[in-house]
Amino acid sequence: GENVEQHPSTLSVQEGDSAVIKCTYSDSASNYFPWYKQELGKGPQLIIDIRSNVGEKKDQRIAVTLNKTAKHFSLHITETQPEDSAVYFCAGTSSGGTYKYIFGTGTRLKVLA
Amino acid sequence: KAGVTQTPRYLIKTRGQQVTLSCSPISGHRSVSWYQQTPGQGLQFLFEYFSETQRNKGNFPGRFSGRQFSNSRSEMNVSTLELGDSALYLCASSLQGGLETQYFGPGTRLLVL
Repeated sequence: GENVEQHPSTLSVQEGDSAVIKCTYSDSASNYFPWYKQELGKGPQLIIDIRSNVGEKKDQRIAVTLNKTAKHFSLHITETQPEDSAVYFCAGTSSGGTYKYIFGTGTRLKVLA
Repeated sequence: KAGVTQTPRYLIKTRGQQVTLSCSPISGHRSVSWYQQTPGQGLQFLFEYFSETQRNKGNFPGRFSGRQFSNSRSEMNVSTLELGDSALYLCASSLQGGLETQYFGPGTRLLVL
């Protein structure tokens, strides 16, 4: 079935450094890839997304890249700050007429001050 | 605009009982999706409702059911609760569903004793 793999499961970086989280997907027809940030006690919040007709998208310190040939996409956070500490989830979308999100297993990011 | 709201935020039940959770989507959104989040399984899709009809369904037993009302509010019900049903239940709304961006509520944390 459809699957999204996410790595690493935990990531610790020093404040000011960059963080990169990678996801691979199995459904070649998948064409929408959102990233969510989940803080403790809250629901996931959309931080950035990308569609398959675009290779890269940036929003201030956050960027997402997509390689459709290799079926992987990555989240890049530059100049990390303590408030970036959270769990990040990537998602792909299944196709075949039953569109739904398939989430990765999450990455716990810790930004050390 | 108000975000997605879920009630109650916390619930404690015992095995064998049933539970009903409620979700109010963002005004104007017609699609509501439900997810179960556990440490071991991550975010798993339960079902999606659109215009009062279940449009997609995940791989959960029939004890998990839902419905949507004409005002797009949705409820999910879990009957004959099991210990393994302890989880954070999240709902997400979007305008039309499908590959559109989903916005999550804060979730209902269910503990089954």
